[in-house]
Amino acid sequence: GQNIDQPTEMTATEGAIVQINCTYQTSGFNGLFWYQQHAGEAPTFLSYNVLDGLEEKGRFSSFLSRSKGYSYLLLKELQMKDSASYLCAAMDSNYQLIWGAGTKLIIKP
Amino acid sequence: GAVVSQHPSWVICKSGTSVKIECRSLDFQATTMFWYRQFPKQSLMLMATSNEGSKATYEQGVEKDKFLINHASLTLSTLTVTSAHPEDSSFYICSARDLSGLAGPESYEQYFGPGTRLTVT
Repeated sequence: GQNIDQPTEMTATEGAIVQINCTYQTSGFNGLFWYQQHAGEAPTFLSYNVLDGLEEKGRFSSFLSRSKGYSYLLLKELQMKDSASYLCAAMDSNYQLIWGAGTKLIIKP
Repeated sequence: GAVVSQHPSWVICKSGTSVKIECRSLDFQATTMFWYRQFPKQSLMLMATSNEGSKATYEQGVEKDKFLINHASLTLSTLTVTSAHPEDSSFYICSARDLSGLAGPESYEQYFGPGTRLTVT
Protein backbone atom coordinates (compact mmCIF):
# COMPACT_ATOMS: atom_id res chain seq x y z
CA GLY A 1 0.00 0.00 0.00
CA GLN A 2 0.91 3.65 -0.14
CA ASN A 3 1.96 5.35 3.04
CA ILE A 4 3.50 8.56 4.32
CA ASP A 5 4.95 8.85 7.82
CA GLN A 6 5.89 12.01 9.63
CA PRO A 7 6.00 12.92 13.31
CA THR A 8 2.76 14.15 14.81
CA GLU A 9 4.19 17.07 16.72
CA MET A 10 7.50 18.83 17.31
CA THR A 11 8.55 21.69 19.54
CA ALA A 12 11.40 24.10 18.90
CA THR A 13 12.70 27.40 20.19
CA GLU A 14 12.53 30.73 18.39
CA GLY A 15 15.76 31.35 16.49
CA ALA A 16 16.73 27.70 16.43
CA ILE A 17 16.76 25.11 13.64
CA VAL A 18 14.30 22.23 13.27
CA GLN A 19 14.20 19.27 10.89
CA ILE A 20 10.89 17.57 10.07
CA ASN A 21 11.31 14.10 8.61
CA CYS A 22 9.05 12.27 6.20
CA THR A 23 9.26 8.72 4.88
CA TYR A 24 7.14 7.50 2.03
CA GLN A 25 6.09 4.36 0.21
CA THR A 26 4.25 4.89 -3.04
CA SER A 27 3.42 3.08 -6.25
CA GLY A 28 5.91 4.87 -8.44
CA PHE A 29 7.28 8.26 -7.55
CA ASN A 30 7.05 11.62 -9.26
CA GLY A 31 8.30 13.93 -6.58
CA LEU A 32 7.63 15.10 -3.07
CA PHE A 33 5.93 18.27 -1.90
CA TRP A 34 6.01 20.11 1.40
CA TYR A 35 3.13 22.39 2.35
CA GLN A 36 2.61 24.66 5.33
CA GLN A 37 -0.83 24.95 6.90
CA HIS A 38 -1.74 27.44 9.61
CA ALA A 39 -4.71 26.57 11.79
CA GLY A 40 -8.00 27.21 10.02
CA GLU A 41 -6.33 28.02 6.73
CA ALA A 42 -5.62 26.14 3.52
CA PRO A 43 -2.17 24.68 2.82
CA THR A 44 0.43 26.78 1.02
CA PHE A 45 3.21 25.37 -1.14
CA LEU A 46 6.71 25.34 0.28
CA SER A 47 8.84 23.07 -1.88
CA TYR A 48 9.02 20.33 -4.49
CA ASN A 49 11.84 17.76 -4.82
CA VAL A 50 12.14 15.09 -7.47
CA LEU A 51 15.93 14.66 -7.61
CA ASP A 52 18.15 13.57 -4.75
CA GLY A 53 19.70 16.34 -2.77
CA LEU A 54 19.01 19.54 -0.96
CA GLU A 55 16.95 22.45 -2.29
CA GLU A 56 17.34 25.70 -0.41
CA LYS A 57 14.84 28.53 -0.35
CA GLY A 58 15.71 31.20 2.12
CA ARG A 59 15.15 29.94 5.67
CA PHE A 60 13.53 26.73 4.40
CA SER A 61 15.35 23.81 2.77
CA SER A 62 14.05 20.45 1.62
CA PHE A 63 16.02 17.26 1.12
CA LEU A 64 15.19 14.08 -0.78
CA SER A 65 16.70 10.61 -0.94
CA ARG A 66 14.79 8.51 -3.44
CA SER A 67 16.67 5.33 -2.62
CA LYS A 68 15.70 5.64 1.03
CA GLY A 69 12.17 6.94 0.47
CA TYR A 70 13.03 9.81 2.76
CA SER A 71 12.70 13.57 2.83
CA TYR A 72 13.11 16.29 5.37
CA LEU A 73 12.15 19.92 5.69
CA LEU A 74 14.70 22.10 7.45
CA LEU A 75 13.62 25.37 8.98
CA LYS A 76 16.31 27.81 10.14
CA GLU A 77 16.14 30.94 12.29
CA LEU A 78 12.72 29.93 13.50
CA GLN A 79 10.14 32.64 13.97
CA MET A 80 6.92 32.51 15.93
CA LYS A 81 4.97 32.74 12.67
CA ASP A 82 6.47 29.38 11.65
CA SER A 83 4.15 27.71 14.15
CA ALA A 84 1.96 25.64 11.84
CA SER A 85 1.39 22.15 10.53
CA TYR A 86 3.78 20.93 7.86
CA LEU A 87 2.38 18.44 5.36
CA CYS A 88 4.49 16.03 3.37
CA ALA A 89 2.92 14.69 0.15
CA ALA A 90 4.41 12.25 -2.33
CA MET A 91 3.22 12.04 -5.91
CA ASP A 92 2.71 8.52 -7.21
CA SER A 93 2.94 7.10 -10.71
CA ASN A 94 -0.55 8.43 -11.52
CA TYR A 95 0.51 11.92 -10.45
CA GLN A 96 -1.81 11.72 -7.45
CA LEU A 97 -0.66 13.20 -4.16
CA ILE A 98 -0.47 10.88 -1.18
CA TRP A 99 -0.67 13.03 1.94
CA GLY A 100 0.95 12.57 5.30
CA ALA A 101 -1.00 13.37 8.46
CA GLY A 102 1.06 16.51 9.03
CA THR A 103 3.52 17.58 11.70
CA LYS A 104 2.37 20.26 14.10
CA LEU A 105 5.32 22.52 14.86
CA ILE A 106 5.16 24.52 18.07
CA ILE A 107 7.62 27.40 18.44
CA LYS A 108 8.41 28.62 21.94
CA PRO A 109 9.98 31.99 22.75
CA GLY B 1 -0.64 34.08 -10.21
CA ALA B 2 -2.34 30.74 -9.56
CA VAL B 3 -5.09 31.99 -7.26
CA VAL B 4 -7.98 29.77 -6.23
CA SER B 5 -11.05 31.16 -4.51
CA GLN B 6 -13.80 29.42 -2.60
CA HIS B 7 -17.25 30.60 -1.73
CA PRO B 8 -18.63 30.74 0.85
CA SER B 9 -15.80 30.86 3.37
CA TRP B 10 -18.12 29.62 6.06
CA VAL B 11 -21.69 28.39 6.20
CA ILE B 12 -24.09 27.21 8.86
CA CYS B 13 -27.05 25.13 7.76
CA LYS B 14 -29.75 23.01 9.30
CA SER B 15 -29.68 19.25 9.20
CA GLY B 16 -31.34 17.90 6.08
CA THR B 17 -30.62 20.86 3.86
CA SER B 18 -28.15 21.02 0.97
CA VAL B 19 -25.16 23.29 0.68
CA LYS B 20 -23.22 24.24 -2.43
CA ILE B 21 -19.56 25.27 -2.30
CA GLU B 22 -17.89 26.91 -5.28
CA CYS B 23 -14.24 26.67 -6.21
CA ARG B 24 -12.81 28.98 -8.86
CA SER B 25 -9.39 29.31 -10.45
CA LEU B 26 -9.03 33.03 -11.02
CA ASP B 27 -6.04 33.37 -13.31
CA PHE B 28 -5.45 29.97 -14.84
CA GLN B 29 -7.36 27.12 -16.37
CA ALA B 30 -7.78 24.27 -13.93
CA THR B 31 -7.78 21.05 -15.88
CA THR B 32 -8.14 19.12 -12.65
CA MET B 33 -9.71 20.10 -9.35
CA PHE B 34 -9.60 18.25 -6.07
CA TRP B 35 -11.95 18.34 -3.12
CA TYR B 36 -10.64 17.64 0.36
CA ARG B 37 -12.20 17.42 3.77
CA GLN B 38 -10.33 18.10 6.96
CA PHE B 39 -11.60 17.40 10.45
CA PRO B 40 -10.08 19.26 13.41
CA LYS B 41 -6.48 18.28 14.13
CA GLN B 42 -6.46 15.80 11.27
CA SER B 43 -4.82 15.82 7.89
CA LEU B 44 -6.37 16.43 4.53
CA MET B 45 -8.61 13.66 3.24
CA LEU B 46 -9.09 13.58 -0.50
CA MET B 47 -12.76 13.18 -1.34
CA ALA B 48 -12.75 13.30 -5.11
CA THR B 49 -10.87 14.35 -8.21
CA SER B 50 -12.67 16.06 -11.04
CA ASN B 51 -11.55 16.78 -14.56
CA GLU B 52 -13.32 19.39 -16.59
CA GLY B 53 -16.19 17.96 -18.58
CA SER B 54 -16.12 14.49 -17.08
CA LYS B 55 -17.51 12.74 -14.04
CA ALA B 56 -15.63 13.05 -10.79
CA THR B 57 -13.63 10.14 -9.40
CA TYR B 58 -14.51 9.56 -5.77
CA GLU B 59 -12.24 8.08 -3.14
CA GLN B 60 -13.26 4.91 -1.40
CA GLY B 61 -15.82 5.55 1.30
CA VAL B 62 -17.05 8.86 -0.12
CA GLU B 63 -20.70 8.75 -1.16
CA LYS B 64 -21.01 10.21 -4.63
CA ASP B 65 -24.77 10.69 -4.25
CA LYS B 66 -24.24 12.73 -1.12
CA PHE B 67 -21.30 14.82 -2.32
CA LEU B 68 -22.20 15.98 -5.81
CA ILE B 69 -19.34 17.43 -7.80
CA ASN B 70 -19.68 19.38 -11.01
CA HIS B 71 -16.72 20.67 -13.03
CA ALA B 72 -18.49 22.26 -15.94
CA SER B 73 -15.79 24.71 -16.93
CA LEU B 74 -12.02 25.10 -16.68
CA THR B 75 -12.40 27.69 -13.96
CA LEU B 76 -15.26 26.43 -11.80
CA SER B 77 -16.03 23.32 -9.80
CA THR B 78 -18.84 22.97 -7.29
CA LEU B 79 -19.35 20.59 -4.39
CA THR B 80 -22.90 20.13 -3.15
CA VAL B 81 -23.39 18.44 0.19
CA THR B 82 -26.88 16.99 -0.03
CA SER B 83 -29.05 16.33 3.01
CA ALA B 84 -26.32 17.53 5.30
CA HIS B 85 -26.02 16.09 8.81
CA PRO B 86 -23.96 17.25 11.81
CA GLU B 87 -21.29 14.66 11.04
CA ASP B 88 -20.69 16.45 7.73
CA SER B 89 -19.48 19.50 9.63
CA SER B 90 -15.91 19.98 8.52
CA PHE B 91 -13.43 22.19 6.70
CA TYR B 92 -13.80 21.64 2.96
CA ILE B 93 -10.88 22.67 0.79
CA CYS B 94 -10.57 22.61 -2.97
CA SER B 95 -7.38 22.68 -4.96
CA ALA B 96 -6.62 23.00 -8.63
CA ARG B 97 -3.78 22.28 -10.93
CA ASP B 98 -2.96 23.56 -14.35
CA LEU B 99 -1.39 21.17 -16.81
CA SER B 100 -1.71 23.42 -19.81
CA GLY B 101 1.95 24.36 -19.66
CA LEU B 102 3.09 20.77 -19.24
CA ALA B 103 6.22 22.08 -17.57
CA GLY B 104 7.07 18.76 -15.95
CA PRO B 105 6.03 17.09 -12.73
CA GLU B 106 6.52 20.27 -10.74
CA SER B 107 3.55 21.65 -12.64
CA TYR B 108 1.46 19.12 -10.75
CA GLU B 109 1.60 21.46 -7.78
CA GLN B 110 -1.85 21.93 -6.38
CA TYR B 111 -3.04 25.45 -5.64
CA PHE B 112 -5.40 25.52 -2.72
CA GLY B 113 -8.47 27.60 -2.12
CA PRO B 114 -8.92 29.23 1.31
CA GLY B 115 -11.40 26.59 2.44
CA THR B 116 -15.04 26.55 3.50
CA ARG B 117 -16.01 25.80 7.06
CA LEU B 118 -19.34 23.99 7.15
CA THR B 119 -21.33 23.66 10.35
CA VAL B 120 -24.50 21.60 10.28
CA THR B 121 -26.82 22.12 13.23
